Amino acid sequence: GAVVSQHPSWVICKSGTSVKIECRSLDFQATTMFWYRQFPKQSLMLMATSNEGSKATYEQGVEKDKFLINHASLTLSTLTVTSAHPEDSSFYICSARRTGAVYSGYTFGSGTRLTVV
Amino acid sequence: EDKVVQSPLSLVVHEGDTVTLNCSYEVTNFRSLLWYKQEKKAPTFLFMLTSSGIEKKSGRLSSILDKKELFSILNITATQTGDSAIYLCAVEAYIQGAQKLVFGQGTRLTINP
Repeated sequence: GAVVSQHPSWVICKSGTSVKIECRSLDFQATTMFWYRQFPKQSLMLMATSNEGSKATYEQGVEKDKFLINHASLTLSTLTVTSAHPEDSSFYICSARRTGAVYSGYTFGSGTRLTVV
Repeated sequence: EDKVVQSPLSLVVHEGDTVTLNCSYEVTNFRSLLWYKQEKKAPTFLFMLTSSGIEKKSGRLSSILDKKELFSILNITATQTGDSAIYLCAVEAYIQGAQKLVFGQGTRLTINP
């Protein structure tokens, strides 16, 4: 149980275009999902907390208009990188928190490697 | 500022060696400390620690938390090449009214045959 599916696993796009990444909790409902960014050989940096039915909460320094987050249902959150530029190339990972879980409750998606050319 | 610091950042050992990875933290409203193993993609859960002094074990891996000194260690005995990965320490805390994970920089562990 507690599977989080993230799609696509990798994407290459042209500079100036937008890219949407989906994160789905497959066998549980997640009122809260988290989006992280990871640069090569660095740790996970929290970008924003996605709340079902309300606006996302962004971390300091993360551009809200550039990284659009939508959490329209209890099983789906999306991250759209708008007007992507090469510096947005990174590994993006989502996680969902399962309330009442025996262990930590945080399950991670498999990540999306974004390359902007 | 809430922060999690791991050491060493990188470690190379031979198969069969025992390694100890360190994680220290400074957070307000601590809830738990978690260890993850990250190979090529998403982190996979290893341990969650909430109480001081209680060792958690899973095969050759074990971990313990010291809430007074604000640190945790992850031990791996009889290491194997399959243990090569980045090991991430994260602290779950209430920050600005929301529950979040704060990650350390990770320790890149390489096990040579």
